[in-house]
Amino acid sequence: DVVLTQSPLSLPVTLGQPASISCRSSQSLVYSDGNTYLTWLQQRPGQSPRRLIYKVSNRDSGVPDRFSGSGSGTDFTLKITRVEAEDVGVYYCMQGSHWPPWTFGQGTKVEIK
Amino acid sequence: EVALVESGGGLVQPGGSLRLSCAASGFTFSYHWMGWVRQAPGKGLEWVANIAQDGSAEYYVDSVKGRFTISRDNAKNSLYLQMNGLMAEDTAIYYCVREYYGPGDFWGQGTLVTVSS
Repeated sequence: DVVLTQSPLSLPVTLGQPASISCRSSQSLVYSDGNTYLTWLQQRPGQSPRRLIYKVSNRDSGVPDRFSGSGSGTDFTLKITRVEAEDVGVYYCMQGSHWPPWTFGQGTKVEIK
Repeated sequence: EVALVESGGGLVQPGGSLRLSCAASGFTFSYHWMGWVRQAPGKGLEWVANIAQDGSAEYYVDSVKGRFTISRDNAKNSLYLQMNGLMAEDTAIYYCVREYYGPGDFWGQGTLVTVSS
């Protein structure tokens, strides 16, 4: 199974400052169709997860442009240019390139300093 | 507006059974792979199972194989998870999830399953 390793696991951030989360895969996430099915999810406190980014760098509808995804192969990053209060929560990377099973990173908890 | 509404969770004794349902609306249900993902209390996310658009293919995480069965009724825009032989480690919130341009496209609000005597 593909193992996704996120870092850091806890990320205290000052409002208005940038934040960055890394997700490393145990193997390349390039699928046979040429796409890389690496997803970023946000889970606010008490809510269900919401997809922010699909196929490494594509923002889902309604996702603010302060969120961006990048990377290739085995190394991926989610960046928030200026953290806002509503961004507090846990962020997960998820892969759908080598399944079953889909697998998730451990989650990174973003909190305001 | 897209909506996934889970139901059927509750308290069940070890060895018991539950059937979860997910009612889909706001999109063409039969076009999408669908799945179930669970989250134990205070823990991360774990994929459980998913099913092809026409029900012709099903996949399960190893820990539930032989105990859980995923199914769908496209005429009723509904997804199901039959859970038998429940164990304490199956205690979790179970989310119904749609796939579109990759996994995890849209999530329901979840239904809590508690396995305890």
